[in-house]
Amino acid sequence: QVQLQESGPGLVKPSETLSLTCDVSGGTISSHYWSWIRQPPGKGLEWIGYIYYSGSTNSNPSLKSRVTISVDKSKTQFSLRLTSVTAADTAVYYCARGLSTAWFESWGRGILVSVSS
Amino acid sequence: QSVLTQPPSVSGAPGQRVTISCTGSGSNIGAPYDVQWYQRLPGTAPKLLIYGNTNRPSGVPDRFSGSRSGTSASLVISGLRAEDEAEYFCQSYDSSLRAYVFGTGTQVTVL
Repeated sequence: QVQLQESGPGLVKPSETLSLTCDVSGGTISSHYWSWIRQPPGKGLEWIGYIYYSGSTNSNPSLKSRVTISVDKSKTQFSLRLTSVTAADTAVYYCARGLSTAWFESWGRGILVSVSS
Repeated sequence: QSVLTQPPSVSGAPGQRVTISCTGSGSNIGAPYDVQWYQRLPGTAPKLLIYGNTNRPSGVPDRFSGSRSGTSASLVISGLRAEDEAEYFCQSYDSSLRAYVFGTGTQVTVL
């Protein structure tokens, strides 16, 4: 049973870069799509983007210019970088896995990231 | 912004049947793009309940069933149990936004 665990700083300053890592255990990072999803306080879930194990990526057009998703097969982890953050980027960030791009079959428990000076 | 609308809450007594609706539009559910349903218990990772409108992953009880019609989808929980008390949300793809989108979420309370 694959397990995903998000990690990274819980507090980021405005205009800086948010960096998170998702550690994958109990399974290989190959042959799946690896996604990031977030939920701001009091709001709905928002898909950020995904990376295929081969390295191809796709991201939400609303965030595309600020998002980089990468995969490290040797460490069985993948990462999210979100640049120029503002208070609107405060959210619980989830990593997730999908055999298809259409759904998310396994999720991490999420990590709260606050953007504040 | 959530483009899929769900009722904020539904409730039922143990053993009852509850239905959660997910209303979209012609650029997502009505396109038609597949609908998925997830369950989230407090402090836990969301769990996939239904994929491809009607399919249950291995291990999901058959008390949970999904359907899609037109621009809406539904999740039915038959024989409601105390452990079903959780938040449920739907998910699909939107061709106008070119993004995967989620519902507003529904809190299910077992009376």
